[in-house]
Amino acid sequence: AQRVTQPEKLLSVFKGAPVELKCNYSYSGSPELFWYVQYSRQRLQLLLRHISRESIKGFTADLNKGETSFHLKKPFAQEEDSAMYYCALSNSGAGSYQLTFGKGTKLSVIP
Amino acid sequence: NAGVMQNPRHLVRRRGQEARLRCSPMKGHSHVYWYRQLPEEGLKFMVYLQKENIIDESGMPKERFSAEFPKEGPSILRIQQVVRGDSAAYFCASSRGLAGGNEQFFGPGTRLTVL
Repeated sequence: AQRVTQPEKLLSVFKGAPVELKCNYSYSGSPELFWYVQYSRQRLQLLLRHISRESIKGFTADLNKGETSFHLKKPFAQEEDSAMYYCALSNSGAGSYQLTFGKGTKLSVIP
Repeated sequence: NAGVMQNPRHLVRRRGQEARLRCSPMKGHSHVYWYRQLPEEGLKFMVYLQKENIIDESGMPKERFSAEFPKEGPSILRIQQVVRGDSAAYFCASSRGLAGGNEQFFGPGTRLTVL
């Protein structure tokens, strides 16, 4: 069974400090990994996906198959980064529409 | 494009009543997905539908829950004889195609409270 673990329920950092939101996954096949973000009073939206290898809003995430991790990083946190962050996984083949989400990490950036 | 629309945003029901949640996908999207988020949990997949077809309902509880996506009109998630454990946020998402190559866009969710 596939599973996504986000060990931190809440993460507080000071503005300008580096941020790392942890995500570990359990999946026997070849997964696709995503980070979704939900800002206050807004809907859930895709932040980035591992196959695109992009940097969005200064965030990057590298898929580490050996450690089964997909941690989200940003070198300098901004106040507007405060939000709920969800790591998600899908199968890259059959059933690829099913997203499995972690419980989320609330990031709070302290001015 | 107004994005994925869900209504109502908040729904209160007493135990034993029926709950109907509606989802209108984004323009041009013909694939709809329903997810449920229990308190303190992540979103859990429930069902995937295309117009007039249920493709995968493996995440749906076997009893009391049903979903449809008619040829005309929104997708409906129906919960009969609600119980307190059904209290959750229900999210709908839509896409042009399958999630492997197509992004799922989420609605604002419907928060169901069962008294």
